[in-house]
Amino acid sequence: EVQLVESGGGLVQPGRSLRLSCKFSGFSSGFSFGDYAMTWVRQAPGKGLEWVGFIRSKAFGGTIEYAASVTGRFSISRDDSESIAYLQMTSLKTEDTAVYYCARGFGSGWISVGYLDTWGQGTLVTVSS
Amino acid sequence: EIVLTQSPGTLSLSPGERATLSCRAGQSVSYSYVAWYQQKPGLTPRLLIFGSSNRAPGIPDRFSGSGSGTDFTLTISRLEPEDFAVYYCHQYGSSPGTFGQGTKVEIK
Repeated sequence: EVQLVESGGGLVQPGRSLRLSCKFSGFSSGFSFGDYAMTWVRQAPGKGLEWVGFIRSKAFGGTIEYAASVTGRFSISRDDSESIAYLQMTSLKTEDTAVYYCARGFGSGWISVGYLDTWGQGTLVTVSS
Repeated sequence: EIVLTQSPGTLSLSPGERATLSCRAGQSVSYSYVAWYQQKPGLTPRLLIFGSSNRAPGIPDRFSGSGSGTDFTLTISRLEPEDFAVYYCHQYGSSPGTFGQGTKVEIK
């Protein structure tokens, strides 16, 4: 069974930085972490889902795309040897307060960002002074 | 960016009734790459449908999806008590991926 576990959330002051991690574990029909795109989605308290960004697998160049709301402040990376994806958040704003989920982007390619078939449990980031 | 608009915002129905949820895109979604997710309070979203009409593994057949181009629909043929939740559509055909604002299905 594939599992994703996020960590790194917490309370942080506006303007500061935080790095979230997403650890992949489990066996999935012969595929490994490096075969999949990884996506970050967030959900502000009482609000809907917001796609934050994703990183393609190495097979598709490992390129990264971001939502306009976080471009220039957030960066996504991956360490396939450790089966971990990261979300580095800088210049945090109060409006970045949310539960942050990582999810596997199944079926992603050069154009498609993939649908999200497996989600982590989420980690809460609170940006407040 | 493709904007997704879901309607209605809230659907009040009784168990056993049929639910029809709409998701309209501001421009055509490539290859009908639309997914639907269910989210219950305090829980992680769960994938129901991908590719507009394909049920994810383990999803009951009372859930069905349809649509193409800019108009997509999630139908729950007969609501069970566990189906009362919030439902989100998601287009993944192009970057950035986007979600609709959600439809809450509540017990009437």
